Amino acid sequence: DTAVSQTPKYLVTQMGNDKSIKCEQNLGHDTMYWYKQDSKKFLKIMFSYNNKELIINETVPNRFSPKSPDKAHLNLHINSLELGDSAVYFCASSADRADYGYTFGSGTRLTVV
Amino acid sequence: QKEVEQNSGPLSVPEGAIASLNCTYSDRVSQSFFWYRQYSGKSPELIMSIYSNGDKEDGRFTAQLNKASQYVSLLIRDSQPSDSATYLCAVNTGTASKLTFGTGTRLQVTL
Repeated sequence: DTAVSQTPKYLVTQMGNDKSIKCEQNLGHDTMYWYKQDSKKFLKIMFSYNNKELIINETVPNRFSPKSPDKAHLNLHINSLELGDSAVYFCASSADRADYGYTFGSGTRLTVV
Repeated sequence: QKEVEQNSGPLSVPEGAIASLNCTYSDRVSQSFFWYRQYSGKSPELIMSIYSNGDKEDGRFTAQLNKASQYVSLLIRDSQPSDSATYLCAVNTGTASKLTFGTGTRLQVTL
């Protein structure tokens, strides 16, 4: 029974396309996150939602739009994909404002060609 | 100055030795500290958390925290080839409700 599940696992698409990544957690956590991991393994936060409310929005291009229909789901839509968007995108969830760490999803490897 | 700094490595240790991984952080109000292990192509997995100064042991892993020096470390005793991975240090300042990660240290345990 997967705790944090992401789909798809791999995404290969052309520049200019629009794509979405979905995330669901069954841990009962209140907070969900999107992180981007670049080729050097650096994990950088993009967005965070607490009970469907956006609480963190780092300096991310407007082409990236998160949506949280309920506290168990967090999706990421990316418009007009660029080569530099190629990375691994991780969804994560936490209880109580990350005081106890995160549980990560398995990641989505996005390749823009 | 980066918020969370780690030596990228690779750190190479022979099987059975102690691996010592270090991390420094810049925000003095940081409250909770974590070590994640990430195998190539996999997601980060939480292996240790520490909240107060001193040592915390869990099996072969010991986390050490020194808030005055803004320093947190992870010791892996009796290192095994299966410990070969990237180890990510993460810090929660408590104000922004998020973890800030270091760039990770790649550990190689050699036979």
